[in-house]
Amino acid sequence: GAGVSQSPSNKVTEKGKDVELRCDPISGHTALYWYRQSLGQGLEFLIYFQGNSAPDKSGLPSDRFSAERTGGSVSTLTIQRTQQEDSAVYLCASSLAEARGYTFGSGTRLTVV
Amino acid sequence: KNQVEQSPQSLIILEGKNCTLQCNYTVSPFSNLRWYKQDTGRGPVSLTIMTFSENTKSNGRYTATLDADTKQSSLHITASQLSDSASYICVVSAGGNNRLAFGKGNQVVVIP
Repeated sequence: GAGVSQSPSNKVTEKGKDVELRCDPISGHTALYWYRQSLGQGLEFLIYFQGNSAPDKSGLPSDRFSAERTGGSVSTLTIQRTQQEDSAVYLCASSLAEARGYTFGSGTRLTVV
Repeated sequence: KNQVEQSPQSLIILEGKNCTLQCNYTVSPFSNLRWYKQDTGRGPVSLTIMTFSENTKSNGRYTATLDADTKQSSLHITASQLSDSASYICVVSAGGNNRLAFGKGNQVVVIP
């Protein structure tokens, strides 16, 4: 596609439920990043994919968070047993090469009630 | 301590006026610095990218400067428009590192 597509755009879930967030990067972009943006805070790095492998997943805040990428394309971020502090906007970005810049999706706004 | 500090946190300016946003960073080693514009409810969109050797880069009414010695950057908005109301985020990349260091953003509100 022309840009990075994320779905759903908004998600409201009950505390304790699992959620899946999807990112469809720009075709051909080998690098894919997940970030979290909480209200009034800067972007927080979660995980980085190069192809299907994740050389850096050190930003995942707990073992309730996991992500995978298949076919070098679509990525899914899964949050298990959601907590209220998980409420944030989850942004995905993709890149062809670091020097070429990053393109962000519009994000998924997650609200845990 | 955040590696990228932006100031002012927020400002309100009259349409047609100019403004300057500041970004100070401690990221090392330094690879490049980007300014992004993030409209409410949208993802960040790149405005400029500068490497170590670049001092100034313009994108329409946006002009970014970089002083790699003092580790400071600025984003100047000329003749502001209502559509410039957004958060402007300074992002610094360390060489050889896939992580980006993000500032918390400058929230700009342009009023008629």
